[in-house]
Order: sequence, then C-alpha cells, then structure tokens
Amino acid sequence: AQKITQTQPGMFVQEKEAVTLDCTYDTSDQSYGLFWYKQPSSGEMIFLIYQGSYDEQNATEGRYSLNFQKARKSANLVISASQLGDSAMYFCAMSNPYNNAGNMLTFGGGTRLMVKP
Amino acid sequence: EAQVTQNPRYLITVTGKKLTVTCSQNMNHEYMSWYRQDPGLGLRQIYYSMNVEVTDKGDVPEGYKVSRKEKRNFPLILESPSPNQTSLYFCASSFQTGHPSNTEAFFGQGTRLTVV
Repeated sequence: AQKITQTQPGMFVQEKEAVTLDCTYDTSDQSYGLFWYKQPSSGEMIFLIYQGSYDEQNATEGRYSLNFQKARKSANLVISASQLGDSAMYFCAMSNPYNNAGNMLTFGGGTRLMVKP
Repeated sequence: EAQVTQNPRYLITVTGKKLTVTCSQNMNHEYMSWYRQDPGLGLRQIYYSMNVEVTDKGDVPEGYKVSRKEKRNFPLILESPSPNQTSLYFCASSFQTGHPSNTEAFFGQGTRLTVV
C-alpha cells in the first residue's frame, strides 16, 4: 500500500524567504507520480507541481520546485521568495496509474504554511 | 472553461435524511473520484470510477454510494447520513492514461457537509 507522510503540521516563514515543505512516501511500485496541491482558506485544491518517478530532472514551476530524491523516497516542495498569498495548507500526493485503482491519489496529512510580513 | 462543478457548496442536514452531492466535469475525463478531507488525515478516497458504469470502493466507502450513468456526472449519495460523515468533500476528475505521465486531478470547489 502507498503512504505519504508530511511531518510538519504547521510552519512559519518570513516573507521573501525560501521555505521547504517535507514529504516522504512509501511504495513498492517502480512507476508513480508525485504531486503537490495548495489549499487556501477558501478551500479549493490548486495543482502546483508534478514529478514522475522516472523523470531525471527535478520539476520546477515558477517559484515552486520539487526536490526529488528517489533513493530516500522524498519529494520536498521548495517555495522561493515567499509571498503573503502563499499562506495555505499544502498537500503532497502520489498516484500510480498502473494499479487497479487507476489514478487514485494518496494524500499526506498536509502542512499549514503561514507567511509572516 | 475546464472545470469540475460540485453542488451544493454547503449543506447542513439531520441524521438519517438521504442526500446527494452532485459532481459534473466538462473535460471528457474517464476517471472520477470522491474524497473526504478531515483535519490531520488529508484527503481520503471514498469511491472512484474509471468510466461509465465502472465504479469501485476507495479507502473509506462505508456509508456512501455512487453511480456513473454518464461520463460527465458522478454523484455521491449518503443514504442515511450520520454525524461521523461531517466533513469536507471533494470530487475530482482526470484522464485515465495507464502510464505515469502527468495525471493531474482537477478538483471541484468542495462541499462542506454537517450532519447533526
């Protein structure tokens, strides 16, 4: 069974600084995808970034980058130059389209990020 | 505009009164699913559907039913709601690709359900 662990329930970062949100995963599958979603206080789920297990380069999307360390089974999200609007809940998730459940996403418990002015 | 639409956004109901939360997507996605979000537990899958008339249980299916009669719609049914089903519910859809490409899930706005 797949499992995602986010060990930081909440954290603060100063505006304009970089922050790393931790995510470790457990799977016996060789092919899988890793995702990060942002959930602001309004409640919607916003897709941020994706990393495939066979991708050799770390994924980047604007101020977001994914520090993928396959041997350590970690997929940390790095947000550079934090902004007040980055204050939100962040979820790490994993999918394995090959398994019987298709594109089911397994989520971690989330990290609440608060950006201080 | 590509979107997943859930209704209602907010619902307060009483124990035992049947309710349906609707979900519709306009992206021709094969795969649709329902999640519930509870504090500290993240999102957990309730049911999913790989295509029309194909549904299966996720991790927490007890007390829920679904149907997939049309590709675009995937309603969630609570036949006899109980207080432990008070939660934030999300519908999501994605393409069913069968290989680990970017199978990004598109989420609805969420439905906050309270059962008293």
